[in-house]
Amino acid sequence: EADIYQTPRYLVIGTGKKITLECSQTMGHDKMYWYQQDPGMELHLIHYSYGVNSTEKGDLSSESTVSRIRTEHFPLTLESARPSHTSQYLCASSPTANTGELFFGEGSRLTVL
Amino acid sequence: AQSVTQLGSHVSVSEGALVLLRCNYSSSVPPYLFWYVQYPNQGLQLLLKYTSAATLVKGINGFEAEFKKSETSFHLTKPSAHMSDAAEYFCAVSDRGYGGNKLVFGAGTILRVKS
Repeated sequence: EADIYQTPRYLVIGTGKKITLECSQTMGHDKMYWYQQDPGMELHLIHYSYGVNSTEKGDLSSESTVSRIRTEHFPLTLESARPSHTSQYLCASSPTANTGELFFGEGSRLTVL
Repeated sequence: AQSVTQLGSHVSVSEGALVLLRCNYSSSVPPYLFWYVQYPNQGLQLLLKYTSAATLVKGINGFEAEFKKSETSFHLTKPSAHMSDAAEYFCAVSDRGYGGNKLVFGAGTILRVKS
């Protein structure tokens, strides 16, 4: 049973549009992450947060931005979508203790035409 | 920098046969190692993890993995494949001293189970 939710699950949008992918978790986890997933490729970390008002860029450069105003909410925004942004975006969270385990949402599949 | 290599992007086995998915890692410090499974149109789910206790780790759904430091490997096995095991499997590594849970993932192996 998932306690981390992503919306929308699927989004098809035109070039130049602004989009926000929502991610919410009800587990009280301090740490949250956004990964980008393309078929046959590694999952790449694009953003992470270790708590409210803390955000960092991940290992893969991304034109997206994130915010962390509330513990449970970690939205990702693209100001001007391009076809190169077409991908699946996975949100994850983990507890404060360094167990290494991530809890993933079901993903948001973005297609930019 | 840490990295993970999964050998074989696709593996096909018959129902009831042994499942072996290969993972080799690179890490300059003792790692945490993980296997995650992703079913179609779903997020990733933890199968098992190695965090320096027993080198043979048992996970959910009958899967297990063995940490072999000398071989820098963490291969995933299951004695008898079931149709429901068909999914994509990801190996991941984390720097245990990092303080956070930033995982580095492999490219994944798609497991197909034939009836």
